[in-house]
Amino acid sequence: EDQVTQSPEALRLQEGESSSLNCSYTVSGLRGLFWYRQDPGKGPEFLFTLYSAGEEKEKERLKATLTKKESFLHITAPKPEDSATYLCAVLPHSGAGSYQLTFGKGTKLSVIP
Amino acid sequence: DVKVTQSSRYLVKRTGEKVFLECVQDMDHENMFWYRQDPGLGLRLIYFSYDVKMKEKGDIPEGYSVSREKKERFSLILESASTNQTSMYLCASQTGGNEKLFFGSGTQLSVL
Repeated sequence: EDQVTQSPEALRLQEGESSSLNCSYTVSGLRGLFWYRQDPGKGPEFLFTLYSAGEEKEKERLKATLTKKESFLHITAPKPEDSATYLCAVLPHSGAGSYQLTFGKGTKLSVIP
Repeated sequence: DVKVTQSSRYLVKRTGEKVFLECVQDMDHENMFWYRQDPGLGLRLIYFSYDVKMKEKGDIPEGYSVSREKKERFSLILESASTNQTSMYLCASQTGGNEKLFFGSGTQLSVL
């Protein structure tokens, strides 16, 4: 069974204090790993897709990396507007027609001014 | 930009009522999904559809059904609402199997 574990569950940072969020996964062949941001009361918003180990993607203060067992979302010099829940999801190689992402439970990030 | 629109932001229903949640996407996407999101449980897939009139069960289909009569519209139906179906419901669409999901803003459903 595919599993995604995100840590920590919650993270509190001072503005400007860089850190990383972790997403560990167990999947029968990875087709893609996705990062989403979710603000309270809203739907998740897409951030990145990573397809193979060693791949990295960046957007503003965020950088996502991927290994064969985990992904990291690095946040450099965060600002209060980066406060949100960050979700990780994996898409496995499965039979034809399978589109099911497995989501982690998320990391709730709070950035304090 | 892709837009996924869910018909209601908040809904309050009584136990036993039949409930319809509607979702419309404007980008001609093939695949559409219904998730529910609960604190501590994360996002769980209820049903998805990869074509008009086609549907597949997700991880938690019990107590739900779906309808996709047109490509742009995917409906979630609670045949007889129960209190344990109180949740945030999220609709998503996807252009193809490898691609990112686009989510709607969600419907917070309370069943009393």
